[in-house]
Amino acid sequence: DAKTTQPPSMDCAEGRAANLPCNHSTISGNEYVYWYRQIHSQGPQYIIHGLKNNETNEMASLIITEDRKSSTLILPHATLRDTAVYYCIVRVALKGNTPLVFGKGTRLSVIA
Amino acid sequence: ETGVTQTPRHLVMGMTNKKSLKCEQHLGHNAMYWYKQSAKKPLELMFVYSLEERVENNSVPSRFSPECPNSSHLFLHLHTLQPEDSALYLCASSQLVGQPSTNEKLFFGSGTQLSVL
Repeated sequence: DAKTTQPPSMDCAEGRAANLPCNHSTISGNEYVYWYRQIHSQGPQYIIHGLKNNETNEMASLIITEDRKSSTLILPHATLRDTAVYYCIVRVALKGNTPLVFGKGTRLSVIA
Repeated sequence: ETGVTQTPRHLVMGMTNKKSLKCEQHLGHNAMYWYKQSAKKPLELMFVYSLEERVENNSVPSRFSPECPNSSHLFLHLHTLQPEDSALYLCASSQLVGQPSTNEKLFFGSGTQLSVL
C-alpha cells in the first residue's frame, strides 16, 4: 500500500518554479522520503531523498516539514523536459532489499 | 544513459511463444530488480535479486521465470503468457552498502514494451 498522497496532476508554466506536494502523515522516524520521476516511455529516474533536513541537488530541492508529515519537491526553473510523472515514496533505508513501492504519482505538465 | 540496458525495446509475442527479456547493468551494483508497469497502474515489483540470490518474489505467476547468472545480468523468461501480461517491463539495479544497507537508489533501464497477442 502506498503511504503517500499526491495530487494526480499539476500544470506549471515554463521557467517558473514547480512545487509538488506530498503528504505522508504516517511516516515513521526511520523512514526516508524519496522522489523519482518517470518521463514518458522511460524508466523512473531518481531525483532526491531526505530524512529530516531540507536537501538540494542539481535537479531539485526537497523541503520537509518539521513534523515530517509532508514534503514539497521544488523544480526551481521548470522546462518542457520536466514534464513527467513524479513519485513521492517513503521507505526505511535500513533493509537493503526493502523494495520501493510506487504509487500513482503526480503528472506534471510544463506548459510553454 | 542510466547504465542499465534492456533488450529488446519492444516485443510482440503470441500466447504460445517463449521469449526472454535481458537486462545488463554497467554500474557495478549488487542488486537487480524486475518491475511491471501496466497501463494506468502503478509500477509493481516482481522480483528482487540481491548478490545473485532471489530475495523476493511478489506472487508472480510461474509463466514468468527470472534468472540472474551474475551480478551484471538479469533475465526474465516468458512462456505461455496471457494478453493481460502486456505491459512495460522495467529492470533496475542498486548498490546495497553495508549491512543493514542504507540510502539505496534505484537506477532503471528504459524498459521492454511487451505486447501479447
